[in-house]
Amino acid sequence: AQSVTQLDSHVSVSEGTPVLLRCNYSSSYSPSLFWYVQHPNKGLQLLLKYTSAATLVKGINGFEAEFKKSETSFHLTKPSAHMSDAAEYFCVVSDRGSSNTGKLIFGQGTTLQVKP
Amino acid sequence: DVKVTQSSRYLVKRTGEKVFLECVQDMDHENMFWYRQDPGLGLRLIYFSYDVKMKEKGDIPEGYSVSREKKERFSLILESASTNQTSMYLCASSLVDGSRSVAFFGQGTRLTVV
Repeated sequence: AQSVTQLDSHVSVSEGTPVLLRCNYSSSYSPSLFWYVQHPNKGLQLLLKYTSAATLVKGINGFEAEFKKSETSFHLTKPSAHMSDAAEYFCVVSDRGSSNTGKLIFGQGTTLQVKP
Repeated sequence: DVKVTQSSRYLVKRTGEKVFLECVQDMDHENMFWYRQDPGLGLRLIYFSYDVKMKEKGDIPEGYSVSREKKERFSLILESASTNQTSMYLCASSLVDGSRSVAFFGQGTRLTVV
């Protein structure tokens, strides 16, 4: 069965500095991986997804993630943090259930704080 | 744009009440999901449905049931609400190839059981 681990529950950065949110996954086959963001009192929004095409995936708002099979990692990065990036981020792996629908398995979430 | 609508943003119910959480999607998606979100635990899957009248248990189905009589609507039922079911509930939908397609989420229902 698939699982996903977000290595940091909280990350704090200063505005204008790089962001790194770490995610490791386990999968018995080639996975589909996603990053979602949740701003306070708002719904979940897709940032980016990896589905076995290019290993470097670009998403919205300047975020990108690199799929590294050898390290079973899918870390999320951004070169320069903005105050509006403060939110909770979820790394997600897709698991094929018995009905082959692709259940989404969520990590525990990482809260990103951006300081002025 | 895909829209997933949950009927209530906030609900307060009493212990022992039967509670219905409703979710409607407008994109003809085959898959629909119910998650609960708790601090430090991320989102945990309660139930999902891959077709009308079809359902499958997720990771934490105890104390919950679901109903999908129409493709666009997926209901979560708490047969007898308890305080440990106080949580944020999120509904989602996706296309049939859910492993590769994006899931779209509703705004969530914050349920408090007193």
